[in-house]
Amino acid sequence: NAGVMQNPRHLVRRRGQEARLRCSPMKGHSHVYWYRQLPEEGLKFMVYLQKENIIDESGMPKERFSAEFPKEGPSILRIQQVVRGDSAAYFCASSPPSRQNTGELFFGEGSRLTVL
Amino acid sequence: KNQVEQSPQSLIILEGKNCTLQCNYTVSPFSNLRWYKQDTGRGPVSLTIMTFSENTKSNGRYTATLDADTKQSSLHITASQLSDSASYICVVTPGTGTASKLTFGTGTRLQVTL
Repeated sequence: NAGVMQNPRHLVRRRGQEARLRCSPMKGHSHVYWYRQLPEEGLKFMVYLQKENIIDESGMPKERFSAEFPKEGPSILRIQQVVRGDSAAYFCASSPPSRQNTGELFFGEGSRLTVL
Repeated sequence: KNQVEQSPQSLIILEGKNCTLQCNYTVSPFSNLRWYKQDTGRGPVSLTIMTFSENTKSNGRYTATLDADTKQSSLHITASQLSDSASYICVVTPGTGTASKLTFGTGTRLQVTL
């Protein structure tokens, strides 16, 4: 049973470009969470999605950031017109439907975005 | 405001020594507390979970304690190994809401040296 798969692991973009980060949850998991981790800081919640629905996006900046989890395919975190401050590690986590209220999360290895 | 504070921020110990990491939280109501290990450049991996009624739980050389009255938890690592070098993150699940309401500590960065 493969774990949470994220790609790319490393992404370099110039200011103003778009970044797309993908996340495939563990098999059987229908809940996906995105977190951002700045250097030397803790994980910050961004958005919580179920298939075709955004459940909670309270942690996501209102501009330039969007997320989706389509019926088929991975979840995608999209950052438009990236700025240097977007440089961070972005982690995806998933949980099974029966355990999502227990806080049990399985994390991917992260996607490290560097904005030049 | 729900908060999780960890101490120390960083720690260096010799291989074979023991150490204890601290976590204080103000999350209320409380559901459970987890300790995660995050190796450099990797995603966090769960070590232990403690619910309200549990005081101690072990996972190999890792032992977590919880005092729900004082809202404190500790993670004790016995006979440390070089592979224990990592960040250890305390995460609290509130009694209401979903995993999107988890409160994360900023972690303790542990370095085990020869």
